Amino acid sequence: DTGVSQDPRHKITKRGQNVTFRCDPISEHNRLYWYRQTLGQGPEFLTYFQNEAQLEKSRLLSDRFSAERPKGSFSTLEIQRTEQGDSAMYLCASSPASFEDTQYFGPGTRLTVL
Amino acid sequence: AQKVTQAQTEISVVEKEDVTLDCVYETRDTTYYLFWYKQPPSGELVFLIRRNSFDEQNEISGRYSWNFQKSTSSFNFTITASQVVDSAVYFCALSEEDGNKLVFGAGTILRVKS
Repeated sequence: DTGVSQDPRHKITKRGQNVTFRCDPISEHNRLYWYRQTLGQGPEFLTYFQNEAQLEKSRLLSDRFSAERPKGSFSTLEIQRTEQGDSAMYLCASSPASFEDTQYFGPGTRLTVL
Repeated sequence: AQKVTQAQTEISVVEKEDVTLDCVYETRDTTYYLFWYKQPPSGELVFLIRRNSFDEQNEISGRYSWNFQKSTSSFNFTITASQVVDSAVYFCALSEEDGNKLVFGAGTILRVKS
């Protein structure tokens, strides 16, 4: 199996711009997760999808953040009107079906907001 | 509420020394899973082990071993005869039946010097 892939790997943007990240999960994995990791911290949950349905969102996910997973395949995470506090590594993970399953992570997208 | 604590922020050892990384967790669920991930300098989280709450058997995989003790809510990780390639940040994480996400500790930076 190919692993989880994310694009782009790095993104530098100016404050106030919109950015969009893409995640391609392991094929046939029904669950897809987004996490955010800031320097010196562990990843923090943002949201997850079961197939195309977005089933849970963290309080960390402000109104400027939106995620989609059309057709239950790849997912996109968009941040509107970026702020310097959005600078972080955005990690995507996928798992077969339930909370019991191992989540496999992609390489992440490092966002820098100037 | 679920919580994972990795009290050791950073550990430095000399190659061939044994090292133990501590992990303490909090949960109200009786069914849960514990994980360890490795994050090398490249940034990608690499899955190491998954353990469910009903299986307290210790596990050994090559130079790696894990000690799960429900009585102390701990899931510690030992690397025997450490190598420079073991240098990384190691994260312990918890997944609950009532949750749909991984909750991570803050991570332990392991530096193995030659």
